[in-house]
Amino acid sequence: NAGVIQTPRHKVTGKGQEATLWCEPISGHSAVFWYRQTIVQGLEFLTYFRNQAPIDDSGMPKERFSAQMPNQSHSTLKIQSTQPQDSAVYLCASSLAGRAETLYFGSGTRLTVL
Amino acid sequence: KTQVEQSPQSLVVRQGENCVLQCNYSVTPDNHLRWFKQDTGKGLVSLTVLVHENDKTSNGRYSATLDKDAKHSTLHITATLLDDTATYICVVGALASSSFSKLVFGQGTSLSVVP
Repeated sequence: NAGVIQTPRHKVTGKGQEATLWCEPISGHSAVFWYRQTIVQGLEFLTYFRNQAPIDDSGMPKERFSAQMPNQSHSTLKIQSTQPQDSAVYLCASSLAGRAETLYFGSGTRLTVL
Repeated sequence: KTQVEQSPQSLVVRQGENCVLQCNYSVTPDNHLRWFKQDTGKGLVSLTVLVHENDKTSNGRYSATLDKDAKHSTLHITATLLDDTATYICVVGALASSSFSKLVFGQGTSLSVVP
């Protein structure tokens, strides 16, 4: 079991460009979460899928951010027209539905917007 | 007001020493509290999960306690190793995954173990 896989590990974009981040959850996990981590804010919840359906996107900035889960093996987080304040580590996590102790995190994608 | 407060913010100990990290919280519900270890540039690795009042858990050199009345948890690391250098993050929230979006993360304690 390779754990939660996130790609790329690092991404550098210019202001105004688009960034797409990928997450492959642990096989058999039906819940997928996206978090953003910065030094100032710490870890912030972005969005949550269960059985591929969006359940809660209350943490997603209303503009420019979108997330999808087209199949059970991967989820994407897309940021359009990136801004310097989007620079952060984006962490994906997965879990067995209903099992808090099974929450596992990926290593994250460090996004730098110049 | 910070809902999950960790102390100290940073800590330096010598290899082989013991250390104690603190987590105070005001989050409700507080069905479970978890300690994660985050190496620099890596994701969060779960160390222990505490669920019940006065829970105590042990995972090798890591042990943790939870006092729900006081809304307080401690993480003890015994006989520290250089590889224990990391940020330790306390997380509090409901048990059900449907409430994972409400999990509240502390800012972490940065532990440095020196030779």
